[in-house]
Amino acid sequence: NAGVTQTPKFRVLKTGQSMTLLCAQDMNHEYMYWYRQDPGMGLRLIHYSVGEGTTAKGEVPDGYNVSRLKKQNFLLGLESAAPSQTSVYFCAGSETIIEAGGKETQYFGPGTRLLVL
Amino acid sequence: AQSVTQLDSQVPVFEEAPVELRCNYSSSVSVYLFWYVQYPNQGLQLLLKYLSGSTLVKGINGFEAEFNKSQTSFHLRKPSVHISDTAEYFCAVSWVLMTGFQKLVFGTGTRLLVSP
Repeated sequence: NAGVTQTPKFRVLKTGQSMTLLCAQDMNHEYMYWYRQDPGMGLRLIHYSVGEGTTAKGEVPDGYNVSRLKKQNFLLGLESAAPSQTSVYFCAGSETIIEAGGKETQYFGPGTRLLVL
Repeated sequence: AQSVTQLDSQVPVFEEAPVELRCNYSSSVSVYLFWYVQYPNQGLQLLLKYLSGSTLVKGINGFEAEFNKSQTSFHLRKPSVHISDTAEYFCAVSWVLMTGFQKLVFGTGTRLLVSP
């Protein structure tokens, strides 16, 4: 099993450009998450999905959109990139809802480093 | 609101020495507590978690943590560190919302630097 994978690993954008980050998982996770990691701020939740076709906003959703057309894929889009979106982006998935209740372990991908000039 | 404080942004230590990484939390609801580790250029992976029962939790790679409800702490310890333990360590609290969604809030991280 590949677990949780992310593409691309690294990307440089100019202000105003758009891009899509892809997260794929083969662990049958119902829940999937997109976080951003900035120095001294830990991880902050951007958007999440509780199942195929459903998405919701996290703590810092502005400037991002997401889609989950298939259970195994969770896409994060930047329509018009800004320098403030320079960050490391992590996708994660969590165990099935059978073990729900806040106890779930989240499984993280290796991250995408994004630099917006 | 729930929050996590990791007071030490960086902890330097010599190989084979003991280490403690501190984590304090604030919560108005019942929470679960996690420690995740991030090795250089990798994603986070679970080190250990406290759900209930014994307050001393053992994790991977010889790490353990003790839940102290009265002090609202969940400090991470290892009696003898290795060079390979050099990483960033994140404490997190988790609870479930009315929707059934797991809300996970991370601390700002502690970078453990192990030198020979």
